[in-house]
Amino acid sequence: KAGVTQTPRYLIKTRGQQVTLSCSPISGHRSVSWYQQTPGQGLQFLFEYFSETQRNKGNFPGRFSGRQFSNSRSEMNVSTLELGDSALYLCASSTRTGGEVYEQYFGPGTRLTVT
Amino acid sequence: AQSVTQPDIHITVSEGASLELRCNYSYGATPYLFWYVQSPGQGLQLLLKYFSGDTLVQGIKGFEAEFKRSQSSFNLRKPSVHWSDAAEYFCAVGPSGSARQLTFGSGTQLTVLP
Repeated sequence: KAGVTQTPRYLIKTRGQQVTLSCSPISGHRSVSWYQQTPGQGLQFLFEYFSETQRNKGNFPGRFSGRQFSNSRSEMNVSTLELGDSALYLCASSTRTGGEVYEQYFGPGTRLTVT
Repeated sequence: AQSVTQPDIHITVSEGASLELRCNYSYGATPYLFWYVQSPGQGLQLLLKYFSGDTLVQGIKGFEAEFKRSQSSFNLRKPSVHWSDAAEYFCAVGPSGSARQLTFGSGTQLTVLP
């Protein structure tokens, strides 16, 4: 089975711009979660999508948003970029059995640099 | 709120030596516990997980971890380290009954000397 894929792998943007990152989960996985990884804050949960609906959300401002499509692919968007948004953004896909998630499989991440 | 502490920021061991990475968690109920490894420029790879049952769990690459409820710990061990084990290791906790919305520790960077 192919793993989780994320595109693009690297991205450079300017402050004030917006960016969209894409994640394709493992075939058959319907839950997609996003995490932000920075040297200062570590790994932090952004949000989870399942069946095209946001199920959980971390403590991030509204500039961070996401969506999920009917084929389970997910996108996250960051508007009005700030320097502090520079990070590795990781996507994780999961099965959801009985309404719960038991394992998360991570993609390679998108490295976003804001200048 | 749940939290995870990895007290060792950086550990250096010689190839062939044993390894123990510490992880302490804070959570009211029985949590789901995980260890992930991250190589430079890569995503996270799941090493092992604990949901319930036997407190000693085996994972990939020869790693194992022991859940100790009395100490709120889930330490990762390997009897003989290989140079390829050099990476950053993260302990994570999920709310009871779920692996969604994982809370990660700050990570332990492992260096392996030849």
